[in-house]
Amino acid sequence: DSGVTQTPKHLITATGQRVTLRCSPRSGDLSVYWYQQSLDQGLQFLIQYYNGEERAKGNILERFSAQQFPDLHSELNLSSLELGDSALYFCASSPRPDITYEQYFGPGTRLTVT
Amino acid sequence: QQQVKQSPQSLIVQKGGISIINCAYENTAFDYFPWYQQFPGKGPALLIAIRPDVSEKKEGRFTISFNKSAKQFSLHIMDSQPGDSATYFCAASKGSGGYQKVTFGIGTKLQVIP
Repeated sequence: DSGVTQTPKHLITATGQRVTLRCSPRSGDLSVYWYQQSLDQGLQFLIQYYNGEERAKGNILERFSAQQFPDLHSELNLSSLELGDSALYFCASSPRPDITYEQYFGPGTRLTVT
Repeated sequence: QQQVKQSPQSLIVQKGGISIINCAYENTAFDYFPWYQQFPGKGPALLIAIRPDVSEKKEGRFTISFNKSAKQFSLHIMDSQPGDSATYFCAASKGSGGYQKVTFGIGTKLQVIP
C-alpha cells in the first residue's frame, strides 16, 4: 500500500458527461501528479501540483482540469467526455518537487466512457 | 514525441532465466533514470533508480546497466520468478527550474513461466 488513495475505483459514464476523480496524497507529501494510462499510449503525464500551485503540465487536454486544495488532496475534472478518454487515471505523490523520480502511485481510477 | 523508447513491449521468460528490458533516451538533460514495476490492478511502484554518472546499480536480483555515451539503459532481472510477472516501465527525469518531470517508456509486459 503506497499510502495514496484514489476514489472512485471504477467509473462508468456516457459521452458528453463530466466526472471528478479524487486523490489524497501520502501524509506529508506536497506534490501531486496525475497520469493517464491507456493500452496504446502507456503512462502519460497530465499535470503536477505542489502545495496548491500548478507546477508542470504535460499532455493534458483543455477539457481536463485539476486543482489541489489546502488540505493537499487533489481533484481531476474531465468534461465533455469522449470514448477515447476511457483509461486508467493514476494519481501519484512525492515529498519534494525536486525528487520527482520517486513517486508513490495510488491504485488508480478506471474510467469507462460509453 | 516519445523521449524514452522501451523494448520489447512483451517478454516471456522461463523461471530461473534472465529478463532483459532495454530503454533509450534522446535528451541528455535527463539526470535520473528510475524503473517502475506495475502488477495488474495496481499502480506503478518504484523499483530501482540510477544516476547517469553510475554505470551499474544492483538491488537483489534487479540490476540497472547504464551506457551514457549510447544513451541507453537496461534492466536485468536475474533468476526470474513467476512473481516477477508484471509490467515494467523505464523512465527518465529531468530537472527544470528546481522541478523535475518524469517521462515514462511504453512499458514491457513480462511473463515468467514455470
